Formats: sequence, structure tokens, C-alpha cells
Amino acid sequence: GAVVSQHPSWVICKSGTSVKIECRSLDFQATTMFWYRQFPKQSLMLMATSNEGSKATYEQGVEKDKFLINHASLTLSTLTVTSAHPEDSSFYICSARPRGLNEQFFGPGTRLTVL
Amino acid sequence: DAKTTQPPSMDCAEGRAANLPCNHSTISGNEYVYWYRQIHSQGPQYIIHGLKNNETNEMASLIITEDRKSSTLILPHATLRDTAVYYCIVRVPILIKAAGNKLTFGGGTRVLVKP
Repeated sequence: GAVVSQHPSWVICKSGTSVKIECRSLDFQATTMFWYRQFPKQSLMLMATSNEGSKATYEQGVEKDKFLINHASLTLSTLTVTSAHPEDSSFYICSARPRGLNEQFFGPGTRLTVL
Repeated sequence: DAKTTQPPSMDCAEGRAANLPCNHSTISGNEYVYWYRQIHSQGPQYIIHGLKNNETNEMASLIITEDRKSSTLILPHATLRDTAVYYCIVRVPILIKAAGNKLTFGGGTRVLVKP
């Protein structure tokens, strides 16, 4: 139980294009989902927190107009990197918190490479 | 959330116990100690958590000192698959504090299990 999937697992795109990453909780309803970013040899950095049906809360320094988050259902959240640039290349990881539990369960991550 | 301090890296022999220390001297009374690990190019995996009593599950044991200022994660019989970065995090569980959603990842300990 408590499986979180991400799609795609990796993506390569040209500079200036937008990329959408999906995060799904497969066997539970997630009242809260989180998006993290991880650069090589660094730790995970929380980008934003999203609650189903409401606007995401972004961490300081994260541009909400560049990283669009939609949490339209209790099992799906999407992160869209708009007008991607090479410095956006990173490992993007989502996590989901089941209703009534303290733990977060993480997806396998999506590696984004912007050329 | 209280800050944690972990050694940046450690090696251990396959089949032996791996003891991973974590200092959290500023932990407050209602903060739990959580451990996650991240295998290379994957999302973090929950291992165990505790408040003040020692905890054990199928993956590991967690020993928390009486003053709760430090803890040790024990992998009883390390295998090559346990090679990963291990993160110690202290936080207030969401069910107690509404703002306790976040997981703040520090540098972690890079554990290399050697044959």
C-alpha cells in the first residue's frame, strides 16, 4: 500500500518549452501533496505544498508563475514547469500524505533535462 | 522544526550492523524523530519514526536517548541494497500541529555498504 507514482520518469525538452509532471497516489487518497526539487549531490528542497481543491503554498524563493501546481483531485497533482531553462534541470520528486496519517510517501522522481 | 546534525558519510561492512547517529539537541517536547533514506536516483523511503521510546520495525531500530537530544538508527544486518543517503528529521506530526506538514531535509549521511 501507499504507492505514489510519477510520470514521466524522465524528460528532455528544449529551452522555452513547458513540461508537465504528474504525481498520483495509487491506493490512497492524498489530502496533501508536496513537490521537491533536488540538484545533483544536494538534499531535497521543498518547493510547494498543495491541498486538494485549494491553491498551492510556495516556499520562499520559488516562483509560483513558473512552477504551476494543480491538485485537482485526491489522487492527482501536477507540476508544470513553464518556459523551462537549463537551470531548471533537476530531479523533481513529489510526495503524498494520506488522510489521517502523519507519514509522507514519495514518488520515484522525474529527471528533467532542459537543453 | 529542530535542526539535526548527521555525519556526512560512513562505510559499513555487509552483514554487520550499521549504526547511524543523529544529533537534535534543540528538539522540543512534541517533536518526533523521523528517518528516511534515498537510494540513488529514487524518491525517499520512510524507514521509522519515534517520540521517546525505542522503536523497531522490519527495516530498522530507532534508539532515542533519554534526554531526546540524539538518536541512532540501526540497520541490524546491512546489505548492499542499503547503500543510500539516510536523513534524520525532527518534526511535529501534522495531526498535532497544522503547520507540521513539512519535511525539511538536511544533508543526511551517505552510507556505503561494502562487500
